[in-house]
Amino acid sequence: QQQVKQSPQSLIVQKGGISIINCAYENTAFDYFPWYQQFPGKGPALLIAIRPDVSEKKEGRFTISFNKSAKQFSLHIMDSQPGDSATYFCAASYMNYGGSQGNLIFGKGTKLSVKP
Amino acid sequence: DAGITQSPRYKITETGRQVTLMCHQTWSHSYMFWYRQDLGHGLRLIYYSAAADITDKGEVPDGYVVSRSKTENFPLTLESATRSQTSVYFCASSDYAKRPTYEQYFGPGTRLTVT
Repeated sequence: QQQVKQSPQSLIVQKGGISIINCAYENTAFDYFPWYQQFPGKGPALLIAIRPDVSEKKEGRFTISFNKSAKQFSLHIMDSQPGDSATYFCAASYMNYGGSQGNLIFGKGTKLSVKP
Repeated sequence: DAGITQSPRYKITETGRQVTLMCHQTWSHSYMFWYRQDLGHGLRLIYYSAAADITDKGEVPDGYVVSRSKTENFPLTLESATRSQTSVYFCASSDYAKRPTYEQYFGPGTRLTVT
């Protein structure tokens, strides 16, 4: 129940195309869903996050779509650029403070390659 | 502003040796974390700390020891390294007071090879 399942494992997209990465969870207590971006040789960094009281959040070319009933959420990258080539991790957590319930549970990651 | 740093960045050690990975953050964040990253497994939590002298196990704690005597430091020790501990290790910190982002800030990682 603590797992977050992420797909696909890898993704190749042409420049200008739309990249879509999907995640699914089981634990209905999760109430915070971030996406992290990791470039080679670097640590992950927060890209965008959503709470389940909204169905969509957009920041520039990056959009999270959230389907609470299906327990799924996805990252859409519009007009994908070669500079977006990175590994993307979805995650989920409770928004509690203190104790193990506050920790992030990460998906296994998606390696995105955007071809010029 | 150095942020969060890890040392060493690369380490090769032999099976059975003790090795300590260092993590230092300059933000005075209350929470600190250690993750390992392996192909096909993503990021897995090893240990975390809510404050100085308060630590707790994560998903994969076996074979690791942590301590946190000061807020800014969170060393991770492999008491007797095994080949299965070959991995990239990331330290992270978080200031839970900054609601509602709950963001974790990651260090640059330490690539550890156990031969």
